[in-house]
Amino acid sequence: QKEVEQDPGPLSVPEGAIVSLNCTYSNSAFQYFMWYRQYSRKGPELLMYTYSSGNKEDGRFTAQVDKSSKYISLFIRDSQPSDSATYLCAGLMDSSYKLIFGSGTRLLVRP
Amino acid sequence: GAVVSQHPSRVICKSGTSVKIECRSLDFQATTMFWYRQFPKQSLMLMATSNEGSKATYEQGVEKDKFLINHASLTLSTLTVTSAHPEDSSFYICSANRDMNTEAFFGQGTRLTVV
Repeated sequence: QKEVEQDPGPLSVPEGAIVSLNCTYSNSAFQYFMWYRQYSRKGPELLMYTYSSGNKEDGRFTAQVDKSSKYISLFIRDSQPSDSATYLCAGLMDSSYKLIFGSGTRLLVRP
Repeated sequence: GAVVSQHPSRVICKSGTSVKIECRSLDFQATTMFWYRQFPKQSLMLMATSNEGSKATYEQGVEKDKFLINHASLTLSTLTVTSAHPEDSSFYICSANRDMNTEAFFGQGTRLTVV
């Protein structure tokens, strides 16, 4: 079993839709949960990270963590074509700073 | 945000040769850097943790003699793919954490093609 599971997609939505991206994890040692966005042939860029269970909002993006069910989500409101990318969730162990990534979900926002 | 620069962005080499990839933290010191490998449409797989002034820590299944890592200064880590073969063709990405902060900054990646 992979430590972080993520549906690879692709996920295709019309512009303006609310997008829900999800991951599950199995490693209870993860202290932080990150969401990265990766455009084709580029390095990942950090969107958001959360430490505890609950919601964290930043503009159109909301990250949600439910440690009891080991479930993490990223919601994108009013999606734009420029949001089209691969979204990677990751768990981080505070002691080692190692990031364990999910497989990434490819998102396509249609104009 | 902090900047991590990776060079080269793209390299093509002949089978059997060695290739060196550099990862630099431009505006901060990084005692620890990480090297990842990413195959097309797949996730980033951690290869090794690069520690300044000491030996790198490799993940299970990664050949340390094939992927040589040197972290000679607080701003530079290098990954050398030795005796490269076509199956080593991949996208290699480094990351660094500033001040042991949880946020990792990634380089732009190096696309290696071995022919």
